[in-house]
Amino acid sequence: NAGVMQNPRHLVRRRGQEARLRCSPMKGHSHVYWYRQLPEEGLKFMVYLQKENIIDESGMPKERFSAEFPKEGPSILRIQQVVRGDSAAYFCATSREGLGLNTEAFFGQGTRLTVV
Amino acid sequence: RKEVEQDPGPFNVPEGATVAFNCTYSNSASQSFFWYRQDCRKEPKLLMSVYSSGNEDGRFTAQLNRASQYISLLIRDSKLSDSATYLCVVNEANDYKLSFGAGTTVTVRA
Repeated sequence: NAGVMQNPRHLVRRRGQEARLRCSPMKGHSHVYWYRQLPEEGLKFMVYLQKENIIDESGMPKERFSAEFPKEGPSILRIQQVVRGDSAAYFCATSREGLGLNTEAFFGQGTRLTVV
Repeated sequence: RKEVEQDPGPFNVPEGATVAFNCTYSNSASQSFFWYRQDCRKEPKLLMSVYSSGNEDGRFTAQLNRASQYISLLIRDSKLSDSATYLCVVNEANDYKLSFGAGTTVTVRA
C-alpha cells in the first residue's frame, strides 16, 4: 500500500509562471489537506478537500492559489503567477475519515517550490 | 501570538543522555495533541499522541498540562537516530486543522 505520493518533489519556476503540485492520497483516503512550510516556520494549513468538494480554504491566499480534488485523479494545488514569496515546501496529508480525536493524517514527502 | 510555540533549540546531547523540551499552545479549546518528527525537512511523521494522563512509548514520554497549556516530550537514552526536528501539533476536537509549532531541533552526538 503506497503512501501519500506527491509530485514533483522539486519544482523550479520563474516569477510569473504557474506551478502545479499533485497529491495522490493513500488507498482508501478521501480527505486531503494541503499545508505550506516556509523556512524556519511551522506547517500552516491551507485547504481541506474531499472528493470534488472544497471543505475549507480559509488558509489559502485569496488570489493566485486554487485547489481541486476531482473524482478521478490526484488533488492539485495550483499557484498562478508565482512570486518569490511562494518559495516553500508544500505538503499534503490525507486521511481515511475527517480528522478528529482518533484519526491520523499521513503526509506526503512534499514538493519544494523554488521561484527564481 | 502564535498558536503553538516551541523552543527551536538546537539541543545538542551525547548518546545516552536524556533530553526534554516543551511547547505551549494558546487555544484553551484544543483537545488533541501530538508530537511529530521531521527529518531534514522531509515529511512529518507521527511520533506519538499525547494523552491527558501522560503516556510513554519506549524511550519517549509525553506529558500534557492543560492548566498551563503546555506539552512536553522527554527522550531517554538518546540514540544518534533520534536526531531530528520534533514538531508539536495541536487541534481542537473534531477540527481538521492541525496547528504546528516551528519545531525543536535535537542533535545527538556520538
